[in-house]
This record gives sequence, structure tokens and C-alpha cells, in this order.
Amino acid sequence: GAGVSQSPSNKVTEKGKDVELRCDPISGHTALYWYRQRLGQGLEFLIYFQGNSAPDKSGLPSDRFSAERTGESVSTLTIQRTQQEDSAVYLCASSPNPSGTKDTQYFGPGTRLTVL
Amino acid sequence: GDSVTQMEGPVTLSEEAFLTINCTYTATGYPSLFWYVQYPGEGLQLLLKATKADDKGSNKGFEATYRKETTSFHLEKGSVQVSDSAVYFCALSGSQAGTALIFGKGTTLSVSS
Repeated sequence: GAGVSQSPSNKVTEKGKDVELRCDPISGHTALYWYRQRLGQGLEFLIYFQGNSAPDKSGLPSDRFSAERTGESVSTLTIQRTQQEDSAVYLCASSPNPSGTKDTQYFGPGTRLTVL
Repeated sequence: GDSVTQMEGPVTLSEEAFLTINCTYTATGYPSLFWYVQYPGEGLQLLLKATKADDKGSNKGFEATYRKETTSFHLEKGSVQVSDSAVYFCALSGSQAGTALIFGKGTTLSVSS
């Protein structure tokens, strides 16, 4: 079946501009995660959505970052007034129903953001 | 807080060599442990996982055993192939439902024929 999809695959923007990144999770997956992968680094957690519950925003690095999710479907990550340090690959993952720690997260291909 | 430490790369091996990539963790409670792999130009894929102490995860010839006494989850393969060249990430999930994964920095493996 279809996996997690993300768009765009690449985004180049100028410093100070706003960007929107999109994630389509696997159908039926209630949990959705956003991560950031800087060059040569591991993945950093940004935000987590579970059904209609309030999202866990504890990983967002600043108030320039925000994310929304419509029900249990598409999510958008918005970065306002982008800075060069925002350059990274932004990864989205979904999980069927994290009733415990055993649930696997399925990752999308990522969006490579370059801020000039 | 919880953390994952894995050996730095790059690791360069010849085909059919034995592979070990070390991973140790620090966590409260009883996390699940994962190895993810990222092939060139592709997204992150789950390679294997273990959910409790002494469990062994295995897939595609790779194995890792959850060792609570040494807080380790080392990845091994007896005979690597060129197609195994990729970046490997060790990760853990916390004890609470829905907790985000905590990743190591990744280890690049390069296998030559």
C-alpha cells in the first residue's frame, strides 16, 4: 500500500521567507510525528499528533515553527521567517495506534529545505 | 534525559566482512529499541526492533540483541554486501505511549566489492 508521502521533496528559499511542508500519513494511522535531520546529525523530534488530542509541541525549537493536522490525515509544518540554521531534511512519520512502545513509526522520504 | 550513543563512522568494509555497529542507550523505564536504515536517496526504513530485554531483532541477515545489563543494542551482520551500504540509526522509544523516537547520530557504512 501507499507509504508516507511528503511534499515538496526539495525546497530552496531565501532567509526571512515563510515555508510550508506537507505530510500525508499512511491511511488509518492515528499518530503523526515531525522530525528534523541536520547534516551529519541524528533526527530531532519536533512535534507529535495523536488523533484529536492536543499535540505534543515540546520539540519545536522556536515560535517560528508551527504545525497543524486535520483530523487523522494531512499535516503541514510551517516555518516562519526562515533562518539559515533551519536548513535540514524534515521528516514525517506515522504510526498505526501507539498504544504502547512497540509501535513502529513509518517514515516519509523527507523534504530537504535549504535557506539561502 | 533519554539518549542514544552509537559508534561514529564511516565504517568501510570489504564484501563478506563481518559488521558490528555499537549502540548504547540511557533511558528510564523499559524502552523499545530500533535500528533504522537510510539507503542513498531513500527514506528512513525500519530494519529491526526489540521490545524487551533479551529480545533479538533480526532482518535481512542483520541482528541485534536487547541487553539491559549493558544497556546496549549492537547491530551485527555476518557477511555484508555492497547493497548494505547505507546510514544506520539506532533509536529508542520511551516508556509512554506515543513517545517520539530518540535517535543516535547515525553510522555510515560503505561496502566495497
